Amino acid sequence: SQELEQSPQSLIVQEGKNLTINCTSSKTLYGLYWYKQKYGEGLIFLMMLQKGGEEKSHEKITAKLDEKKQQSSLHITASQPSHAGIYLCGAPITRNTDKLIFGTGTRLQVFP
Amino acid sequence: EAQVTQNPRYLITVTGKKLTVTCSQNMNHEYMSWYRQDPGLGLRQIYYSMNVEVTDKGDVPEGYKVSRKEKRNFPLILESPSPNQTSLYFCASSFVGLAVYNEQFFGPGTRLTVL
Repeated sequence: SQELEQSPQSLIVQEGKNLTINCTSSKTLYGLYWYKQKYGEGLIFLMMLQKGGEEKSHEKITAKLDEKKQQSSLHITASQPSHAGIYLCGAPITRNTDKLIFGTGTRLQVFP
Repeated sequence: EAQVTQNPRYLITVTGKKLTVTCSQNMNHEYMSWYRQDPGLGLRQIYYSMNVEVTDKGDVPEGYKVSRKEKRNFPLILESPSPNQTSLYFCASSFVGLAVYNEQFFGPGTRLTVL
């Protein structure tokens, strides 16, 4: 079965630093979602990527999808304490499916 | 306010005592889904529903039941809960199915403990 592996599992950065989180799939990616979760709370949608090479940005967060590498990266520029939380990637298991799998998450802490 | 609500938010129960976790959305979404989140295992899909009276299994459906009699509600039923169903549960909804890459809106979660 397909798996999504996120790296790193945990990240501690100083405020103002840039950081990157990766999501690598064991099989072909047919799109990818990024979500953020505050500890013990629901998930907040960040963005979705549909095509290889696609790149999207929202405020200081940029995500890219590399279909050939079966990977997506999430980059945060000039991190702030408000960026702290758990970042999860999710992907459909096949094209045109409504079944979704998620990575195990990357826990981000940002200290002043 | 557009939202997905879940009840209860916290529940402690005993093995074998049937329970229902309710989920309701006020956005007229067709697609609804249940997930469980466990440390080290991430978020796993239990069941999903494309529309009223249409449901399908996700990755981990064993021990769970769902029903979709109304568009806004998608309850999760544990007929005979066991300790391995102790988890954090999330309900989510979207306008149409994920196949067209829609944003899912998540509820706040229900933390279930089965003793």
